[in-house]
Amino acid sequence: EIVLTQSPATLSLSPGERVTLSCRATQSIGSYLAWYQQKPDQTPRLLIYDASNRATGIPARFSGSGSGTDFTLTISSLEPEDFAVYYCQQRSNWPLTFGGGTKVEIK
Amino acid sequence: EVQLVESGGGLVQPGGSLRLSCAASGFTFNTHAMSWVRQAPGKGLEWVSAISGSGGGTYYADSVKGRFTVSRDNSKNTLYLQMNSLRVEDTAVYYCARDPPSSTGYHYYFDHWGPGTLVTVSS
Repeated sequence: EIVLTQSPATLSLSPGERVTLSCRATQSIGSYLAWYQQKPDQTPRLLIYDASNRATGIPARFSGSGSGTDFTLTISSLEPEDFAVYYCQQRSNWPLTFGGGTKVEIK
Repeated sequence: EVQLVESGGGLVQPGGSLRLSCAASGFTFNTHAMSWVRQAPGKGLEWVSAISGSGGGTYYADSVKGRFTVSRDNSKNTLYLQMNSLRVEDTAVYYCARDPPSSTGYHYYFDHWGPGTLVTVSS
């Protein structure tokens, strides 16, 4: 099973700051990685798929990069609505797996 | 508008069974793979099972293999999850989730999610 490790577990930031979230896989997954955002009491929202492709309707401030084992989600300038938990997910190998999540909270 | 609505959750004793359903609308159901993803209270996301559009391919997390069975009825636009031999650690909100549209085959990402149904396994 491919384990995805997200870091840091929590980030405390202010609106307008740049955010970089990390997701590391235990073996190469090519570019088969997605990122999701989940706000309290809401369902997850697909942000990025295949490492760097924004999903429909996702603002340009969200970008993804990486391949192999190391991936990054960047939010160029935090908006108030971006405070949430972010998960990565791989689809390279069965079983599909998610990372443990990174919480982006207001400083 | 894509809609996914789960049902069938509830309280069950350890060792018991439940069958979850997910009614889909607003898209051509049989052209999308579907998955079940769960989230224990206050915890992260855990993929449970997936099924191809035709139903010919099924996949499971190790934690549920041999206990859970995923199926679909494309004539009814409905996804199912039969859960047997339930354990306390299966307690979670269960979401059904849709694979994004693609001309190049299934992605096994999740672009639409239902609101979820809560399964509580407790004596």
